[in-house]
Amino acid sequence: GAGVSQSPSNKVTEKGKDVELRCDPISGHTALYWYRQSLGQGLEFLIYFQGNSAPDKSGLPSDRFSAERTGGSVSTLTIQRTQQEDSAVYLCASSFGPGNTIYFGEGSWLTVV
Amino acid sequence: GNSVTQMEGPVTLSEEAFLTINCTYTATGYPSLFWYVQYPGEGLQLLLKATKADDKGSNKGFEATYRKETTSFHLEKGSVQVSDSAVYFCALTRERTGTASKLTFGTGTRLQVTL
Repeated sequence: GAGVSQSPSNKVTEKGKDVELRCDPISGHTALYWYRQSLGQGLEFLIYFQGNSAPDKSGLPSDRFSAERTGGSVSTLTIQRTQQEDSAVYLCASSFGPGNTIYFGEGSWLTVV
Repeated sequence: GNSVTQMEGPVTLSEEAFLTINCTYTATGYPSLFWYVQYPGEGLQLLLKATKADDKGSNKGFEATYRKETTSFHLEKGSVQVSDSAVYFCALTRERTGTASKLTFGTGTRLQVTL
């Protein structure tokens, strides 16, 4: 597609449930990133993929968070046993590779109630 | 580690006023510098960038110059419009050194332009 596509755009879930957020990067972009934007925390890096491997997972806040990428394209961010503090906008971004301009999707707004 | 410091907001200006949003950074090596903008209800968009010292990035009337001697990348616009109302984020990436070029963001500065 023309830009980074994310789904769902909005998700309300009950505390303790698992959620999956999907990202479809710009065609041809080998690098894919997940960020989180929350009130009081600003924009936080979560994880980076180069192809299907994740050389940098340093931003994942706990072992409840995981992500995978298949076929060098679509990525899924999974949050298990969601907590209220997980409420945030989860942003996906992609680029042609490290050092190239990073383009963002519109985000998935997660609300845990 | 890398860090970005932006001026606190919100910044409120009248239309056609001059805008400056200060940004300073701390980084090893030779980072690339960016300004991203987030309009109400929309995702982050790249506004402009500069990849080496003394480069000037520009777009939509906005400018920022990469100043290595002062480690700054201040955003300026000569005459703001109501449509410029948004949150502006300064960010940096490290030049490729074999590690991921993830973005380090400032906290964002909200700009409100009034008639």
